[in-house]
Amino acid sequence: EAGVTQFPSHSVIEKGQTVTLRCDPISGHDNLYWYRRVMGKEIKFLLHFVKESKQDESGMPNNRFLAERTGGTYSTLKVQPAELEDSGVYFCASSRFRGENYGYTFGSGTRLTVV
Amino acid sequence: LAKTTQPISMDSYEGQEVNITCSHNNIATNDYITWYQQFPSQGPRFIIQGYKTKVTNEVASLFIPADRKSSTLSLPRVSLSDTAVYYCLVGGGYGGATNKLIFGTGTLLAVQP
Repeated sequence: EAGVTQFPSHSVIEKGQTVTLRCDPISGHDNLYWYRRVMGKEIKFLLHFVKESKQDESGMPNNRFLAERTGGTYSTLKVQPAELEDSGVYFCASSRFRGENYGYTFGSGTRLTVV
Repeated sequence: LAKTTQPISMDSYEGQEVNITCSHNNIATNDYITWYQQFPSQGPRFIIQGYKTKVTNEVASLFIPADRKSSTLSLPRVSLSDTAVYYCLVGGGYGGATNKLIFGTGTLLAVQP
């Protein structure tokens, strides 16, 4: 089966601009997650979708970040306006079922650089 | 959510067995223990998961003592391609309160020829 696909793989934008990251989960996976690693830090949870609903968005850093998953398929993560501290790698993951029993499949990530 | 502690780095040689131990003293009853592997420029990749005792798959073995406060990932006969960061995670669990994965610093395993 196709894996989790993220686009773009790299993005360089100026401070104050807007960037939209996209994630296509594995077909049939209702659960979709966003994580990120900023420079020198650990990978951190951002939010969790179950189909089109936000199940947990406790990790979203502030209101400059907006995640959507219309129709319960692909998801977008918009950063507006971007700040320097938003630079890092943004990972998307999906799973068929809730919980740890079946593991999560991660995408290769989008490396975001804000200059 | 349970925090994990694992060595920052380990060195090994090709053909050796590598054991990476992780401490998770505050693991909850519903928590599973999961290990991920991450290569540069890739996302973490699921390796193995367990709840208690021993789990083995085609890639690795996972040893979990009765108190579940630690776990050991065992990689048999490593090769150069096993050089990666290995993360130990606890959390989620079917019916658990959250599905967040809590990543620690991971262990950078460097395999040398």
